[in-house]
Amino acid sequence: DIVLTQSPALAVSLEQRATISCKTSQNVDNYGISYMHWYQQKPGQQPKLLIYEGSNLASGIPARFSGSGSGTDFTLTIDPVEADDIATYYCQQSKDYPDTFGAGTKLELK
Amino acid sequence: QVQLKETGPDLVQLTQTLSITCTVSGFSLTTYNVHWVRQPPGKGLEWMGAMWNGGGTDYNSAFKSRLSISRDTSKSQVFLKMNSLQTDDTAKYFCARRELGGYFDYWGQGVMVTVSS
Repeated sequence: DIVLTQSPALAVSLEQRATISCKTSQNVDNYGISYMHWYQQKPGQQPKLLIYEGSNLASGIPARFSGSGSGTDFTLTIDPVEADDIATYYCQQSKDYPDTFGAGTKLELK
Repeated sequence: QVQLKETGPDLVQLTQTLSITCTVSGFSLTTYNVHWVRQPPGKGLEWMGAMWNGGGTDYNSAFKSRLSISRDTSKSQVFLKMNSLQTDDTAKYFCARRELGGYFDYWGQGVMVTVSS
């Protein structure tokens, strides 16, 4: 299985930039598409899709969120961070069976 | 609009069978794929298996032969059944719609299942 590695937590100040990384144990690109997706989850809620295929913003998601990267190194950027962004962020790969998720990065306020 | 809703028991006895229903609206099961993902308390997300729009299924090998997924398209429902439950199967179980690119664009609110001895 492809392993996705995320830092457990990131402390950030409001109105600053947050960069959350996800490193994969194998390349998750195929024919120019990165099969890497990002979700936000708040306590007691279901995950919400933020970014799909590496860098595409999901419907209704503010432009403060962006995704970048390729191959085995990916980044979710939130700029600027707002109070409502305090949550846990998960990356997911769908390049190879089975789909796997990172363990999540908890975004905290400094 | 697109909605998914899981219904199932809060509590299941050790070694018994878990059955959860995912009822969808706003899209057809013959057009979109619906998958199951679970999340133990305080932990991350684990992909369990898939009901493909053509009626086929796939399962995470981590669940070996314990897991079964089926559907009733006339009722817009997808079913998860898992036997021989253990305490580490205590988790919130989500159904989610999966797009062709492999991402989950809509999720149910989940059902929290506790396995009790």
